Amino acid sequence: DTAVSQTPKYLVTQMGNDKSIKCEQNLGHDTMYWYKQDSKKFLKIMFSYNNKELIINETVPNRFSPKSPDKAHLNLHINSLELGDSAVYFCASSLRVSGNTIYFGEGSWLTVV
Amino acid sequence: RKEVEQDPGPFNVPEGATVAFNCTYSNSASQSFFWYRQDCRKEPKLLMSVYSSGNEDGRFTAQLNRASQYISLLIRDSKLSDSATYLCVVNLSGGSYIPTFGRGTSLIVHP
Repeated sequence: DTAVSQTPKYLVTQMGNDKSIKCEQNLGHDTMYWYKQDSKKFLKIMFSYNNKELIINETVPNRFSPKSPDKAHLNLHINSLELGDSAVYFCASSLRVSGNTIYFGEGSWLTVV
Repeated sequence: RKEVEQDPGPFNVPEGATVAFNCTYSNSASQSFFWYRQDCRKEPKLLMSVYSSGNEDGRFTAQLNRASQYISLLIRDSKLSDSATYLCVVNLSGGSYIPTFGRGTSLIVHP
């Protein structure tokens, strides 16, 4: 009955590879997010989609490309992985775009070697 | 100035103590405020919303000071299980809605 689920939970990959993280929410929410939490534990927003439309695109390298096939899914594809991409990536969702509680997935631990 | 600032701590307190955290925000137009809790190697989870008039949930009290642009979280009678990182979240309503997290304040409650 996981509300926000993301896969894989752990990912170890080599520099230069391309990888994807998938996210799905079964809460019926309109808005989904990707956050990155680095080694210093700072949780920084990367992207947000509302009903499949991109509404937030923070300063993120264009190697990162989100895709939302429908409002229940928001996937993150990363090209040409770099060492600095190593972090925990959290998918999240909220009922609407403004001022609602954000529900997080369990996180995807990405390690680039 | 960072948009949302917190003292990273750690705050190291004995069981039963009262501890308070503050979080300052830079955008006076901010409308929604929350406290989240994050345990080690887990996702952040909502602890409580912060209402203009202040609100209480058991041992936890949250307050908002719009004039000085900060929110606070007070924990009374600390338990060992309160040990975690507490993140404040500030949302700007309107066209540029960006739920922004502070860096978190680490709390360690010891016996």
